[in-house]
Amino acid sequence: SAVISQKPSRDICQRGTSLTIQCQVDSQVTMMFWYRQQPGQSLTLIATANQGSEATYESGFVIDKFPISRPNLTFSTLTVSNMSPEDSSIYLCSGLRGGNTEAFFGQGTRLTVV
Amino acid sequence: GQQVMQIPQYQHVQEGEDFTTYCNSSTTLSNIQWYKQRPGGHPVFLIQLVKSGEVKKQKRLTFQFGEAKKNSSLHITATQTTDVGTYFCAGPGGSGSRLTFGEGTQLTVNP
Repeated sequence: SAVISQKPSRDICQRGTSLTIQCQVDSQVTMMFWYRQQPGQSLTLIATANQGSEATYESGFVIDKFPISRPNLTFSTLTVSNMSPEDSSIYLCSGLRGGNTEAFFGQGTRLTVV
Repeated sequence: GQQVMQIPQYQHVQEGEDFTTYCNSSTTLSNIQWYKQRPGGHPVFLIQLVKSGEVKKQKRLTFQFGEAKKNSSLHITATQTTDVGTYFCAGPGGSGSRLTFGEGTQLTVNP
C-alpha cells in the first residue's frame, strides 16, 4: 500500500481560528477521503476530496466549515474553520489506489481547541 | 443509509484467551474489510473478504464472511499483548468507494 504523510500530527488552537491539515501521498491515488474520529469512537467520513473540483461532503458537514482542496492526485488539505471546542478530535486522511478497495491512512492529526 | 454494527464494544481478556468480534450490516455487502488501530495509531488494513461464506486466516486471526454477505467475524486464537487495539470492520457504502466503518471493538489483553 501507499504511504501518506499527514501533518501536523497534533495542535492546540484557540477558538475562532482555523487550522489546515495536509496529506501527501507517496504515489498517485484514485480517491482521497477525510475522516474525523473522537477518542475511543469510530471513524466518521467528512468528505471525499475530488481532484480539481469541489469535495463531496457527507451529511452534517459543510464546505464553509471544512474546506477541502485536492490540486493533484497525491496531495490534499482539510481546513477546520472558525474552530470551537467541539471540533477537538482526531482528523485522518485516507486514500485508495487504482482498483483496490483497501484504504490506507495518514498518521492522523490530534486537534485540541481551547 | 447503510449501517454497520459491531459487537462487543469492549473486550478484556487474559493473555492466551481467545477473542471474537462480530460485525453486522443492514444491507448486503459486496465485500467487507477489517482494520486494526493500535492505541494512538491510525487504522491499518488487515484483510478483505469478498465471497459468500469465505474464511481467511492470518496466523492466529480467522476472518469469516457470512453466507448472506451481511455479517462477518474476526476471531483471534490465544491472544497476545501485541493484539491490543481496536478492530474495525468496514463495508462499501453509498456512491464511490467510500467505506462505512463499524463502531469498533476495543481489545485489551492482560499479561
